[in-house]
Amino acid sequence: DAKTTQPPSMDCAEGRAANLPCNHSTISGNEYVYWYRQIHSQGPQYIIHGLKNNETNEMASLIITEDRKSSTLILPHATLRDTAVYYCIVREWGTYKYIFGTGTRLKVLA
Amino acid sequence: NAGVTQTPKFQVLKTGQSMTLQCAQDMNHNSMYWYRQDPGMGLRLIYYSASEGTTDKGEVPNGYNVSRLNKREFSLRLESAAPSQTSVYFCASSDEGAYEKLFFGSGTQLSVL
Repeated sequence: DAKTTQPPSMDCAEGRAANLPCNHSTISGNEYVYWYRQIHSQGPQYIIHGLKNNETNEMASLIITEDRKSSTLILPHATLRDTAVYYCIVREWGTYKYIFGTGTRLKVLA
Repeated sequence: NAGVTQTPKFQVLKTGQSMTLQCAQDMNHNSMYWYRQDPGMGLRLIYYSASEGTTDKGEVPNGYNVSRLNKREFSLRLESAAPSQTSVYFCASSDEGAYEKLFFGSGTQLSVL
């Protein structure tokens, strides 16, 4: 079963920051949080991952709470091309099982 | 590099027919996966292979078999297709180390009539 909970949908104005929350209250100390997105019906694309520290790359920032029970993906300046379904995933430690939940459908509005 | 290649891209089957979905990766990854995605839903893990010669069940393995033919190839077989197996099938592979990012193919759209 998916170990993460996300809102089913969100809207964001173009040019504004999109903040996508994820709850992973049962995460273990050595399990990473991953974010992927799926545009239309393409294969999901890796965005970012983190363990306990905040992370930033060219696509997004990841903020993980101190207790690691939740995280937020931030797209700093959303564009129409960021319209997609965003998945937050916690990989089970010691396994290769990446379990996707239902994700958040982000719609960026012009 | 092509990344992860899936064939075919589209397939229509009749109930009871069998077929094999092919997946190959050229990134020298050890781990490979098969997911299915039903309309409007997230991805569900069918089977995965942590390394050549090993396979394990995921969330929804019933009705499927897999073969890890070699390090590059991981096939998914439907022995007797059912309408409930109508879905988009994605193959993925992951790189090494603690981070193990997933790389996905473009998917196979399968319809079972």
